[in-house]
Amino acid sequence: KAGVTQTPRYLIKTRGQQVTLSCSPISGHRSVSWYQQTPGQGLQFLFEYFSETQRNKGNFPGRFSGRQFSNSRSEMNVSTLELGDSALYLCASSVGTGTSQETQYFGPGTRLLVL
Amino acid sequence: GNSVTQMEGPVTLSEEAFLTINCTYTATGYPSLFWYVQYPGEGLQLLLKATKADDKGSNKGFEATYRKETTSFHLEKGSVQVSDSAVYFCALSDLDNNDMRFGAGTRLTVKP
Repeated sequence: KAGVTQTPRYLIKTRGQQVTLSCSPISGHRSVSWYQQTPGQGLQFLFEYFSETQRNKGNFPGRFSGRQFSNSRSEMNVSTLELGDSALYLCASSVGTGTSQETQYFGPGTRLLVL
Repeated sequence: GNSVTQMEGPVTLSEEAFLTINCTYTATGYPSLFWYVQYPGEGLQLLLKATKADDKGSNKGFEATYRKETTSFHLEKGSVQVSDSAVYFCALSDLDNNDMRFGAGTRLTVKP
């Protein structure tokens, strides 16, 4: 089975621009979660999508948004980029039972640099 | 709220040494606990998990036991190898309360 794929792998943007990141989950997985990883804040949960609906949300400003398509692929958008948005953005997929026992499978991440 | 605290690194060991990475948690519900590993340039990979108190997760020689009385989930390995060099993350999943938390990560370097 193919793993979680994320595109692009690397991205450079300037302040004020917007960016869209893409994630394709493992086949059969219906839940997609997004995380931001920075040296200072570590791994922080952004949001989770299941069946095209946002099911859980972390504590990030409204500039961070996402969506999920009917084939479970997900996109994450960040508008009005700030320098502090530079990070590794990780996507994780899971079957989607919504239980705490469920394992998440992570993609390699998209490294975003904001100049 | 929920939180995960793991020992700060970096940790440097010689090959075949014993490894312990401490992880403690606070939780209001009944979380599952995980250890993930991140190799350079890659995403996180599940190493092991435990879903209830007294469960022991194990994989590739690594072990961790879910201790409710001490709210801990320490990672151990009896004999580390150079290939174990990576960053290790302890994580808590409490989806009943819509919460997933990760520790800060511990960088392990194993020298030959």
